Amino acid sequence: NAGVMQNPRHLVRRRGQEARLRCSPMKGHSHVYWYRQLPEEGLKFMVYLQKENIIDESGMPKERFSAEFPKEGPSILRIQQVVRGDSAAYFCASSTETGHTPGYTFGSGTRLTVV
Amino acid sequence: AQTVTQSQPEMSVQEAETVTLSCTYDTSESDYYLFWYKQPPSRQMILVIRQEAYKQQNATENRFSVNFQKAAKSFSLKISDSQLGDAAMYFCPTGANSKLTFGKGITLSVRP
Repeated sequence: NAGVMQNPRHLVRRRGQEARLRCSPMKGHSHVYWYRQLPEEGLKFMVYLQKENIIDESGMPKERFSAEFPKEGPSILRIQQVVRGDSAAYFCASSTETGHTPGYTFGSGTRLTVV
Repeated sequence: AQTVTQSQPEMSVQEAETVTLSCTYDTSESDYYLFWYKQPPSRQMILVIRQEAYKQQNATENRFSVNFQKAAKSFSLKISDSQLGDAAMYFCPTGANSKLTFGKGITLSVRP
């Protein structure tokens, strides 16, 4: 019974390249959440998705960032034309429930470094 | 809107002793949850304990217990019989509408 799987664990991109971060939720979980953690900070909510639907993207930057959770396959967080300020740890979490925030299971995160 | 304040950036405790980590929050939600998560150097976010705001009874989980003061919007974590493996960053997010709001965290070190 694998937990939330994120890959890659570490990702290095040059400025201007695209970054694609993957998240496979726990088996039976249909809700996925993405958070970003800057150095010395707590996690900040980015987006909440269900299969084929974006439920809440209030924490997503307006440009260059997008997320999807297709019917088949993992959820993808995509960052286009990365800049140094995008360097951070990106965490994915999943849950079975919604509405009352039961407490998710987090993945181990992807550390993105933009050089 | 929700905010979380963890005013002590660092704490230290002797192994086998008890330590309390402080957390205050503010929220406009009437229905919300409170959590403590632990983040060791591996970076994995591990759920330590959870409290439903509508429950008056404080949650406990083995060596971990909370002191939830709803009127004061305070949610502290007590760790009893501290172990070396407790050394980590601790966060106390609040949750409503499927979103968690985090503070900056507290770094706990455990002295052998």
